[in-house]
Amino acid sequence: DVKVTQSSRYLVKRTGEKVFLECVQDMDHENMFWYRQDPGLGLRLIYFSYDVKMKEKGDIPEGYSVSREKKERFSLILESASTNQTSMYLCASRGAGSSYNSPLHFGNGTRLTVT
Amino acid sequence: AQTVTQSQPEMSVQEAETVTLSCTYDTSESDYYLFWYKQPPSRQMILVIRQEAYKQQNATENRFSVNFQKAAKSFSLKISDSQLGDAAMYFCAYRSADSWGKLQFGAGTQVVVTP
Repeated sequence: DVKVTQSSRYLVKRTGEKVFLECVQDMDHENMFWYRQDPGLGLRLIYFSYDVKMKEKGDIPEGYSVSREKKERFSLILESASTNQTSMYLCASRGAGSSYNSPLHFGNGTRLTVT
Repeated sequence: AQTVTQSQPEMSVQEAETVTLSCTYDTSESDYYLFWYKQPPSRQMILVIRQEAYKQQNATENRFSVNFQKAAKSFSLKISDSQLGDAAMYFCAYRSADSWGKLQFGAGTQVVVTP
């Protein structure tokens, strides 16, 4: 079974801190994604990566950056955390190809609180 | 850009009864995929069912089935013989055929199952 692991389940940070959210997958997937989940808004795509060192902006990239130095690891970075970035963050991965038989596999989420 | 709309924030159903969750989407594409994901309190996103747009036949997975109306851009989920374990947030999601696996999610519908 595919395993997507997010390093923290809960995180509390202060405004202005630099925050790293880590995600690791064990299935050699090319594509990795960071979503943000908020009540009433569903999941919104922040960034995704289709290969090592490659990244693309999603729908809400402002205030975030990402890093993918190794295929299995995709990091989300909040350069200077703000209270409006308090949210649930979900990482996901998927193998290459457009077949719908390759679904997204999600981690268990990191609930980030910025005070 | 595609949008996915789930108009029911919450639905309540009694055990053993049937509940239908609605989902509509807006797209100009002809080839795409649709998904329903379930998110229980554990936060783990679980794929429930998927549908390819070019397939006329509605997908079915055990007690879960969809009513896919391509012309109406509607993709509803029916849960039959509801069980307590079905209680969760359900998200409808859209994916273009060539979109690196990026999913566009609806806001979600909370399903409450009463004994």
